[in-house]
This record gives sequence, C-alpha cells and structure tokens, in this order.
Amino acid sequence: QQQVKQSPQSLIVQKGGISIINCAYENTAFDYFPWYQQFPGKGPALLIAIRPDVSEKKEGRFTISFNKSAKQFSLHIMDSQPGDSATYFCAASNGRDDKIIFGKGTRLHILP
Amino acid sequence: DGGITQSPKYLFRKEGQNVTLSCEQNLNHDAMYWYRQDPGQGLRLIYYSQIVNDFQKGDIAEGYSVSREKKESFPLTVTSAQKNPTAFYLCASSSFSGPSYNEQFFGPGTRLTVL
Repeated sequence: QQQVKQSPQSLIVQKGGISIINCAYENTAFDYFPWYQQFPGKGPALLIAIRPDVSEKKEGRFTISFNKSAKQFSLHIMDSQPGDSATYFCAASNGRDDKIIFGKGTRLHILP
Repeated sequence: DGGITQSPKYLFRKEGQNVTLSCEQNLNHDAMYWYRQDPGQGLRLIYYSQIVNDFQKGDIAEGYSVSREKKESFPLTVTSAQKNPTAFYLCASSSFSGPSYNEQFFGPGTRLTVL
C-alpha cells in the first residue's frame, strides 16, 4: 500500500525526443506527487510536483500527467537534451504524514 | 545562502567502528530526514524527526542512531551493528507550512565506504 512503482529502470532517448517515465501507487490517501532529478554524486532536487486536484502540470519542457482513477502519474520531458541525463525519482506522500515514498528511480540517458 | 550541508563528502570506516555523519540546515525547517541510497534501490528512509528532541524510525533503522538536540542539526551515527554500511547517505529537510510545504530539500550527500 505504501509503495510507488516506477518504470522503466533505465531509458535511452535521442536528443530532441520525448522521454516518458511512469509511476503507479496504491494508497489513495496520497495527495502530493513530486518528481526529483539527481545528477551523479549529488543530492536529488525537486523538478516538478502535482496535487490530485489537477490532471496535468507543465513547467517548461517538463510535464506531469496525473490519472487519479488509474492511480498513475507520469513525467514527460519534451525536446530531451543531453543535460537532462540524470536519475529521476517519482514520489508520493500523504500531507498529514510528511514522509515521502520514493520510487526506485529511472536512469535517463539522452544521446547527443 | 540557505541550504543543507553534509559533511564529510567522503568517509572511510574500518569494520567495527562507529561513525557520525553531519547534517546542518539553515532553512528554519521543522522536519529532517536521513536516507540511504544504493544502486537500483532508490531512496530508503532511515530516520526522521519532525521536532527537536523527537525522532521516528524509518524503514531501515537497524544499525543506525540519530539525535535532534537543535532544530538545525540532525546527525546520523552508523554503528558497528550495521552489517552493510557502504552507501550514499542523504539528509533532507522540509517545512510544515508555506509555499514549499511537503517539499523535501536534499543535501549533497556523504559517501561512506567500509574498508
């Protein structure tokens, strides 16, 4: 119930293509869904986040799509660039709990 | 500059030794967290603290201990009871209010290697 399942584990995309990472959850009490980006040897940093009152949130080339009925959400990176090569983590939390449950991560590599 | 600092960046430990990892934040955040990261395992919660002088076990607390004597500081001790301590350790903090509510801010991490 507390898990967040993330796929794929790794992803290779051509420069200019669309990168798509998917996540699924079981706990319907989750009400905050962030995505974190992590470069090698660094701590993760918040990339974009969504709450379940909207189905999509866009910030620049990054978009979260949220499907509440299916309990799924995904990250789309448009016009992927080599600088986007990093590990991406989806996550979920119940605001009352303050703990964040992380997916296992997706290693994204953008080919130049 | 506001942020989270972790020290040291790299730490080497002999088997049987306890070591303490430092985490300090000047963001005036209420909550602080320790995670362990292993390849392919994502981020696993070790301990977290929502207020000074109080903390709770996370999913993998065995072999670790923490203290929260000050709001800004949340050190993690890796004890000799931790069977496989070699990993990348991340500290994070978050606020209970404001526009960044729920967002966890991470430090740069400490890489611990047991020799």
